[in-house]
Amino acid sequence: ETGVTQTPRHLVMGMTNKKSLKCEQHLGHNAMYWYKQSAKKPLELMFVYSLEERVENNSVPSRFSPECPNSSHLFLHLHTLQPEDSALYLCASSQEAYRAAYNEQFFGPGTRLTVL
Amino acid sequence: AQSVAQPEDQVNVAEGNPLTVKCTYSVSGNPYLFWYVQYPNRGLQFLLKYITGDNLVKGSYGFEAEFNKSQTSFHLKKPSALVSDSALYFCAVRASTNAGNNRKLIWGLGTSLAVNP
Repeated sequence: ETGVTQTPRHLVMGMTNKKSLKCEQHLGHNAMYWYKQSAKKPLELMFVYSLEERVENNSVPSRFSPECPNSSHLFLHLHTLQPEDSALYLCASSQEAYRAAYNEQFFGPGTRLTVL
Repeated sequence: AQSVAQPEDQVNVAEGNPLTVKCTYSVSGNPYLFWYVQYPNRGLQFLLKYITGDNLVKGSYGFEAEFNKSQTSFHLKKPSALVSDSALYFCAVRASTNAGNNRKLIWGLGTSLAVNP
């Protein structure tokens, strides 16, 4: 509906598993984001890619590894996660331009991740 | 430091009544302000934004918001609430100076709106 799709929608994994989250945007945007949404906490920005280059990495543990092969696709590779990493992971995209910080972000439906 | 406050965790309103969801902010310089809505099991959807100009901004689904610079507020309003408006509402702010950490969108904790039939 928003032009941003995420797969899978739900994921249950053990602490020793390796999995990947996928995001695809069909809006022609040049920036993509990974957010973590946990109950009772502000939306937490994890990574930002602008023109396929990572421009922000907000002190995220190395067990989360992003990949942006092109401007339409974004991955989040997961390995040896902890139970506290259970959350809703949201992908977003926007059209960024120099001195144009006012463009809204378009979000995917999210992946509900449970780490056992 | 930049911040956003949504002082109410939950707002309850009867269907047909006006609704207000409050947001105050703190940012260096002029702000860009946003409202998003999140329905259950869905991602966030953009509702409206203030960049410059008219303080009253109109957005999707009949929502509007009023920018008040002196009170550093950007409250979301709707004249007549619908049961389908029940959702989680997020306010966010970004500094207009597009450099360094000012690029980051700062989010409120969200306000749960319940519209009762």
